Amino acid sequence: EVQLVESGGGLVKPGGSLRLSCAASGFTFSNAWMSWVRQAPGKGLEWVGRIKSKIDGGTTDYPAPVKDRFTISRDDSKNTLYLQMNSLKTEDTAVYYCTTLSPYYFDYWGQGTLVTVSS
Amino acid sequence: SYVLTQPPSVSVAPGKTARITCGGNNIGSKSVHWYQQKPGQAPMLVIYYNSDRPSGIPERFSGSNSGNTATLTISRVEAGDEADYYCQVWDSSSDHLYVFGTGTKVTVL
Repeated sequence: EVQLVESGGGLVKPGGSLRLSCAASGFTFSNAWMSWVRQAPGKGLEWVGRIKSKIDGGTTDYPAPVKDRFTISRDDSKNTLYLQMNSLKTEDTAVYYCTTLSPYYFDYWGQGTLVTVSS
Repeated sequence: SYVLTQPPSVSVAPGKTARITCGGNNIGSKSVHWYQQKPGQAPMLVIYYNSDRPSGIPERFSGSNSGNTATLTISRVEAGDEADYYCQVWDSSSDHLYVFGTGTKVTVL
């Protein structure tokens, strides 16, 4: 059974940093493309970034709202995905979901972790 | 950036059919994927590549895509189908490679 368990969310001040983790199990993590998707309170879904498997280059892509502030990385030896978030803004407040990518849709989702950016 | 438009809400009586639309410019040329999100839960994939169902998703869920509109159809609606539904496409020309629709709240009367 595929399991994705996010952690690391919490309250952070504007301009601060936070690192989210996603522990994966139940599939061959090293072969998987992975992604982060967020959902602001009461709002819709927004793609935050993706990382390809190392065999496919291991490259990352981000949308403009988070580019140059967010960094996705992976540790295949630990079956863990990371999201490093810097220069956080109040509009980054959201639940952050870790997902697998296949590669054009999100097939498995974690339960999410809440990030609140507030002074 | 590519835009996907969904109606904010759809209401349906139990046992009837709910149709949720997802509008986008020439969306029929793209593959559309659908997610169900129940209150307090993570989204879950219910349709991929326009009309394929993941394992465990009831046959009552079906999808179609043509022209400027994709549609998720839920037949014989049950109370447990009450949720938010989002469409999604991959668009290589968009800054957001993965574009989500605005979401539709399905209410079972």
